[in-house]
Amino acid sequence: AQKVTQAQTEISVVEKEDVTLDCVYETRDTTYYLFWYKQPPSGELVFLIRRNSFDEQNEISGRYSWNFQKSTSSFNFTITASQVVDSAVYFCALSELGGNTDKLIFGTGTRLQVFP
Amino acid sequence: IAGITQAPTSQILAAGRRMTLRCTQDMRHNAMYWYRQDLGLGLRLIHYSNTAGTTGKGEVPDGYSVSRANTDDFPLTLASAVPSQTSVYFCASSDSYEDPGGYTFGSGTRLTVV
Repeated sequence: AQKVTQAQTEISVVEKEDVTLDCVYETRDTTYYLFWYKQPPSGELVFLIRRNSFDEQNEISGRYSWNFQKSTSSFNFTITASQVVDSAVYFCALSELGGNTDKLIFGTGTRLQVFP
Repeated sequence: IAGITQAPTSQILAAGRRMTLRCTQDMRHNAMYWYRQDLGLGLRLIHYSNTAGTTGKGEVPDGYSVSRANTDDFPLTLASAVPSQTSVYFCASSDSYEDPGGYTFGSGTRLTVV
């Protein structure tokens, strides 16, 4: 069965600190996608990134970076120089690859609080 | 603005009552989903639809039903609400062929069953 584990329930940091959110996944599939979604205090869910299982290259987008390691079944998310606006709940998710179905299995989320 | 509309935004419902949560998208996405979000449990899939006319059960389907009569609408019905169905409900859609997993979410419906 597919499963996503986000062991960190809540993290608090002070602005400008770097922070890493952990995500560990389980799947029997050889092809799959991994995702991160952000849920700010307003409540909406915002797509951040998708990686497929064939691509283990790390990705950087501004202050955000993602480290995908198949050997440890992890897809960690790092925010560099955190800002108050980064305060949100972050969800890691997993899905099968493509076709007419892309059901996502979400982790339980990590609440990040960035204090000024 | 293209996206998903959910209604109502919030609702207080007496136990035993029937309730339909509405979800409409205008992006012509083939796939639609209903998730519930509960503290400490994350988002759990209730029902999904890969295309109009088809539906499937997710992780927590009991007590809920859905229909997909056309591409745009995907209502979720609670036949006889119970307090354990108190939750925030999110509808989502995706083009599973061109943009798998790239969900667009609605703004959610906060449901309280008393």
